[in-house]
Amino acid sequence: NAGVTQTPKFQVLKTGQSMTLQCAQDMNHEYMSWYRQDPGMGLRLIHYSVGAGITDQGEVPNGYNVSRSTTEDFPLRLLSAAPSQTSVYFCASRRDRGHEQYFGPGTRLTVT
Amino acid sequence: AQSVTQPDIHITVSEGASLELRCNYSYGATPYLFWYVQSPGQGLQLLLKYFSGDTLVQGIKGFEAEFKRSQSSFNLRKPSVHWSDAAEYFCAVGTGNQFYFGTGTSLTVIP
Repeated sequence: NAGVTQTPKFQVLKTGQSMTLQCAQDMNHEYMSWYRQDPGMGLRLIHYSVGAGITDQGEVPNGYNVSRSTTEDFPLRLLSAAPSQTSVYFCASRRDRGHEQYFGPGTRLTVT
Repeated sequence: AQSVTQPDIHITVSEGASLELRCNYSYGATPYLFWYVQSPGQGLQLLLKYFSGDTLVQGIKGFEAEFKRSQSSFNLRKPSVHWSDAAEYFCAVGTGNQFYFGTGTSLTVIP
């Protein structure tokens, strides 16, 4: 199993550009989440999904969209990048609500 | 609202010394509790978890944690720290559909 994979590993955007961060898992997990990690702030939940076709907002959803058309994939879209979205983004998955999360290696995004 | 507090932003210990990292949570019921470790430039790796039962749980790399309901705490311990333990440690609470993370404790190990 590859576990949770994320692409790209690094990305530089200009303000106003859009892009999609990819996340895929091969563990048949129902739950998937996107977090951003900023210095001194831990991990903050952006959006999450409890199954294909079901998504919900987390703590910091503004400026981001998600969709879950398959169990395996959970892409995160930045609609119009802003410097405040400079961060490290982690995707995670878990089997169901009572289990631990497995994390991808992260995407480091810089918005200039 | 649920919250997780890690009161120590940074801890420095000597190699071979014991370690305790503190974690307190706020939640109305017994949550699922986790400790994760993050090495520089890496993702998060699960160290250990508590769901129910024995309040002292063992994890990987010689770590253990104790759940104390009366104190709403889930502190991480290791009897003898190795230089390779230098990393960022995160406590997390799983409640319903969401996870809540503390802000992390950075561990430095000096020879």
